[in-house]
Amino acid sequence: DAGITQSPRHKVTETGTPVTLRCHQTENHRYMYWYRQDPGHGLRLIHYSYGVKDTDKGEVSDGYSVSRSKTEDFLLTLESATSSQTSVYFCAISESAGGAEQYFGPGTRLTVT
Amino acid sequence: QKEVEQNSGPLSVPEGAIASLNCTYSDRGSQSFFWYRQYSGKSPELIMSIYSNGDKEDGRFTAQLNKASQYVSLLIRDSQPSDSATYLCAAADSGYSTLTFGKGTMLLVSP
Repeated sequence: DAGITQSPRHKVTETGTPVTLRCHQTENHRYMYWYRQDPGHGLRLIHYSYGVKDTDKGEVSDGYSVSRSKTEDFLLTLESATSSQTSVYFCAISESAGGAEQYFGPGTRLTVT
Repeated sequence: QKEVEQNSGPLSVPEGAIASLNCTYSDRGSQSFFWYRQYSGKSPELIMSIYSNGDKEDGRFTAQLNKASQYVSLLIRDSQPSDSATYLCAAADSGYSTLTFGKGTMLLVSP
């Protein structure tokens, strides 16, 4: 998985609780991305980062926030989890912008009850 | 809204046949295109990238790009049961910052 880890790999949480997912890379790539994947919707971009402290919104950013204080770590926070945020979350990294290849982490399966 | 369209399948082919997977995209400014393979329960794995019109070959895989028709395809020669997976097509947006993914085509290769 190209030196990318995600934690936790599985999580069950209750509606209304905050949740933070972590993506860690050892490739020193500048760009990092958070996607969610749901049946019938495919992969959808939540947020991405183009450098330390530089982030931007993706297609489905409502209800999510991100932070990147170090090159190697990109955090995704669900401020108050809802059942609609039950999904598989993937982190991806890229050496340069969207015109270059992205490599994916192993994913986090999140269930909100 | 930028879109990448793929037939959801499943596309069923016998072992040893050629599998042809197709994708169309809406952003005429897209310049870079990617094919990912995703096994059930696993993360997407990059298998091909293509940036210029024409064909690009890598082993049993050939990617084809036609920017005028906004069409990308992936051919898998001598298909194997291990090729059974969902194949995702992705297009870089014209600003080069993000990718838009199709929903994927499921390929089933029968022995």
